[in-house]
Amino acid sequence: GESVGLHLPTLSVQEGDNSIINCAYSNSASDYFIWYKQESGKGPQFIIDIRSNMDKRQGQRVTVLLNKTVKHLSLQIAATQPGDSAVYFCAENGDGGSNYKLTFGKGTLLTVNP
Amino acid sequence: DSGVTQTPKHLITATGQRVTLRCSPRSGDLSVYWYQQSLDQGLQFLIQYYNGEERAKGNILERFSAQQFPDLHSELNLSSLELGDSALYFCASSSGGAHRSSGNTIYFGEGSWLTVV
Repeated sequence: GESVGLHLPTLSVQEGDNSIINCAYSNSASDYFIWYKQESGKGPQFIIDIRSNMDKRQGQRVTVLLNKTVKHLSLQIAATQPGDSAVYFCAENGDGGSNYKLTFGKGTLLTVNP
Repeated sequence: DSGVTQTPKHLITATGQRVTLRCSPRSGDLSVYWYQQSLDQGLQFLIQYYNGEERAKGNILERFSAQQFPDLHSELNLSSLELGDSALYFCASSSGGAHRSSGNTIYFGEGSWLTVV
């Protein structure tokens, strides 16, 4: 079946560095993508989203890039802080229907070293 | 705090039993979603309700059922529980549910930890 997957299961960075988390998707019909952050013992927290009619979207310290040609999504976190340590999931909703079924990737564990 | 409330936070029960998980969506949200998170399967969509009606179904077992009540809260019923049902069950909500292009963000609750022994 079609799925959303992550290139790197773990990422370790130094505090203050920039982090890049990657995600590949296989559903060419996907037109809406979301990044979630999940801290230990908590539910996924919305970070940023992007629609397929955009290549880039910026938030506070975060940027999402979408490359539809190679079906790749990335999340860039600027000046990474210890509080950014969490599992990051990309999710897509591209089933062609008018609902909000999200397909999640496996997640990437980001560890920020002080 | 996402505004989505789930109870109970933790639940331990025996195989063969039935449990009910409860979810109160964010104020004003009409859509409720249920997700299951396990170590081997990751986050899996189970079912969505919009304003009381089932809107979408995912990988939900026949032993599981859900409903959304007139006050918009939702319950997920898990019956004939098996060891493999042990997981974290999340409820999420969004204001819309009729068209994804409206950009309705989906907010997750803190989850209900279910352990089947």
